[in-house]
Amino acid sequence: DVKVTQSSRYLVKRTGEKVFLECVQDMDHENMFWYRQDPGLGLRLIYFSYDVKMKEKGDIPEGYSVSREKKERFSLILESASTNQTSMYLCASSPGQGGTEAFFGQGTRLTVV
Amino acid sequence: QKEVEQNSGPLSVPEGAIASLNCTYSDRGSQSFFWYRQYSGKSPELIMFIYSNGDKEDGRFTAQLNKASQYVSLLIRDSQPSDSATYLCAVNRGRSWGKLQFGAGTQVVVTP
Repeated sequence: DVKVTQSSRYLVKRTGEKVFLECVQDMDHENMFWYRQDPGLGLRLIYFSYDVKMKEKGDIPEGYSVSREKKERFSLILESASTNQTSMYLCASSPGQGGTEAFFGQGTRLTVV
Repeated sequence: QKEVEQNSGPLSVPEGAIASLNCTYSDRGSQSFFWYRQYSGKSPELIMFIYSNGDKEDGRFTAQLNKASQYVSLLIRDSQPSDSATYLCAVNRGRSWGKLQFGAGTQVVVTP
C-alpha cells in the first residue's frame, strides 16, 4: 500500500513563528502536493513539486514556501505563521505521467494562536 | 464561476436507496476525473476514477462522464450508513498530470 506520512497530526503554533510541516511518501512518486482544506472551500493547492528541487506555485502560495531535497520528502514552510493560516493541511503524492491518482497523508490540523 | 462545482448538500438518502451526486467543471482540456470520499476528520480516499465518456461501474459505485456537457456524476446504489461522508469531485488541470482541482464536496447522510 502507498503510504504518505505527515509528521504531525495536530500542531499549535504562535503568530510569527516559522512552522515546518513534513511529508514523506514511500512509493517513489514523482509528484508531491500540499493542500489546505477549509470548510466550504474544499481543497486548495498551495504548492506542487514534480521532481527533486522542482516546485510550482499552486492557487494560494502566499505566506508559504516548500522544499524538496529528496524525492520522498516534501516540506511546507510557513515563514511567519498567522491566524488565517489555521487550517487542515494535507500532503499528497502521485506517480508521474500515466497515473494521476493522488494518495493523501492523514493531515495536519494546524492552529495558529 | 468555480472551476469545479458541486452541491454542498447535505444530501439525505434513505438506507438502500440510490445516492446521486453531480459535478460540473469548466476546463475543457481536463482528461481525468476522480471521486474521493472523506469521512469527518480523515483524509480523502479515492473511490472511482474515469477517463472516457460513458459509465464506469465498481461494485455499488457508478461514475458517469459527459465531456461535451462538462459533467461528471457518481451514483451510490444500495446506500449504507457507512456511505455517510463528504464526496469530493476532482478534475485534472488541463494536461497537467497529477495536478487536481477539487470541488468543495457534497455531504451525504444515509439515514437508517
